[in-house]
Formats: sequence, structure tokens, C-alpha cells
Amino acid sequence: GEDVEQSLFLSVREGDSSVINCTYTDSSSTYLYWYKQEPGAGLQLLTYIFSNMDMKQDQRLTVLLNKKDKHLSLRIADTQTGDSAIYFCAESMGYSGGGADGLTFGKGTHLIIQP
Amino acid sequence: DAGVIQSPRHEVTEMGQEVTLRCKPISGHDYLFWYRQTMMRGLELLIYFNNNVPIDDSGMPEDRFSAKMPNASFSTLKIQPSEPRDSAVYFCASSKRGQFYNEQFFGPGTRLTVL
Repeated sequence: GEDVEQSLFLSVREGDSSVINCTYTDSSSTYLYWYKQEPGAGLQLLTYIFSNMDMKQDQRLTVLLNKKDKHLSLRIADTQTGDSAIYFCAESMGYSGGGADGLTFGKGTHLIIQP
Repeated sequence: DAGVIQSPRHEVTEMGQEVTLRCKPISGHDYLFWYRQTMMRGLELLIYFNNNVPIDDSGMPEDRFSAKMPNASFSTLKIQPSEPRDSAVYFCASSKRGQFYNEQFFGPGTRLTVL
């Protein structure tokens, strides 16, 4: 069945880069996503990558996808205290299958920023 | 737009009681998803609707759970009777077909505690 794995915690110093890793098992995933959850709030889409891409950059965010190893990473450059949150990796078929489907999420990585 | 609206934000009830969670999706969105978040299991998809019709309810844990979407602007998730193991944060999310990727917009969640 589908499974998405992430490490539970990552601690970095303010100003350093954060790299959050994720592995998934469903090779038919069309899109992979990174969502952010701040305390007491719902999830918010940060970025996504189509499965035929290797890399996507969006300001401080860089997503790398290794489809062969089913490995996804999110790099946050110049990490700030406002980046402190839980980051979820997720996969779906997107709309390519003729309709939307639910997302399969990892358990989330708590990003802790040290001053 | 006000975003996805969920009510109540917090619910405390006793075992055996009926619980009804409510969701108003973003206007114009044609997909609605219900998720449950716990420390042990992370985020799980319970059920989703397209144009008010349930498409996949395979994630509903058991017959005590039911969900309805009587119109495009309202959905309910009902638990009857509730049990302590149902304690979790329940999220509603909505999305709109028309994009290739599946950006889901999450509500703030309902924190349910069953004593």
C-alpha cells in the first residue's frame, strides 16, 4: 500500500539551511507536495513538484526529487524563526487520473529553530 | 474569500455521545475532504466528495462514522456513539478541479476530546 516516511524532528540554527527528507512507496504518484502546519492551524501548501521533474526552486525553497529512489527533499535556505512548524510530505495522483484524490501524508517533520 | 470554515473549533464530549463536526468549503470548490490527525497515525484521509457525491469512503474507520454533503456549501462528519480513541483533530479541506496539481485548502480543524 501507499506509505510516506519522514523523520519526526529536525533542529537547525537560525540562518542555516534546513533539509527535510521524505521517502514514498507509490511509484504511480504524479505529484508530490510539501505542506506546512503552524501551531493550532490547518495545513498550507508550500510547494509541489511534478513527478517528471528533478528539481524546483521557489525563492528560499528548493525541492529535489529522486524518482528512482522515491526520495523527496525540501531545502529551506536561511532558516528563520518563522519557519518553525511541522512540514508534511504528501503524494497524490493529482487530476491526471480523471479526478482529484485524497493526499497521502507522512507523519510530518517538526522543524525546530535554534537562535 | 473566508477560506474553509470548520465548527466547532473544540469539542469535549463523553463516551457514547453523538458528535457532529461541520465544514463549509471555499465557494466554487467542487472537492471536499475529511482528514483525521493523531500523534500515532498522523494525517489520515477519511472520505472525500466530488460535487456533493461521496467518492471514496474507504478511510472511514467504522460504521460509527458517517459523512454527508447535502449541498455544495456544507458538509458534516458524525460520530455516533463516540469513543475515547476518536479523540483527534479533524480537518476539512476543499479543492477545485481545473489545475493539474491537487492543492487542497485546509480549515483550522476541530479538536475533539472524548472522555
